[in-house]
Amino acid sequence: GENVEQHPSTLSVQEGDSAVIKCTYSDSASNYFPWYKQELGKGPQLIIDIRSNVGEKKDQRIAVTLNKTAKHFSLHITETQPEDSAVYFCAARPLGFGNEKLTFGTGTRLTIIP
Amino acid sequence: GAGVSQSPSNKVTEKGKDVELRCDPISGHTALYWYRQSLGQGLEFLIYFQGNSAPDKSGLPSDRFSAERTGGSVSTLTIQRTQQEDSAVYLCASSLNQGPMGDSPLHFGNGTRLTVT
Repeated sequence: GENVEQHPSTLSVQEGDSAVIKCTYSDSASNYFPWYKQELGKGPQLIIDIRSNVGEKKDQRIAVTLNKTAKHFSLHITETQPEDSAVYFCAARPLGFGNEKLTFGTGTRLTIIP
Repeated sequence: GAGVSQSPSNKVTEKGKDVELRCDPISGHTALYWYRQSLGQGLEFLIYFQGNSAPDKSGLPSDRFSAERTGGSVSTLTIQRTQQEDSAVYLCASSLNQGPMGDSPLHFGNGTRLTVT
């Protein structure tokens, strides 16, 4: 089955700087790659996703890039703000019936230093 | 609109007791998932429902764990004879019908924090 690795496990950046979180996946059939943000005491919330027919997607200060050849994808947050502090999870899912579950990375705890 | 609702939000139980965790998905969402999140860990898949059937139960850790879904809506996760290692946050998520493209976003509830003493 799919295996997703995520780095780093913790990341601290100064407010206003950029943050980058990287993930690799093992199943070349994976075609859907969402990113979730989890705040303390809450469930994960989808912040952006990308499909395999796209190499990059941007939504305001957040962007995701995908390299299918290398089987890795990254989350980029620019102009970081204190409210960006949270745990971020990447995930992947292969095509096809029987592959409906998302496999998650182990998470990155992002801390924005004011 | 209403999101995914889970109850109870917290549950403390004694080792050996049975517990039931409830999930109310978003109305109209036919796919429902249970995940487990241990302290400081990632999300571990438990089971997936499409309607009332469970095509994928591969993540259930042991036969002490079971889940059902009735009326294509509410789901209950039952843990029998709880053990201390069952302590975790149990998260439920729902999404629109998943097909072979599998790209409908999952919407998570806030979870049930289970503590087994």
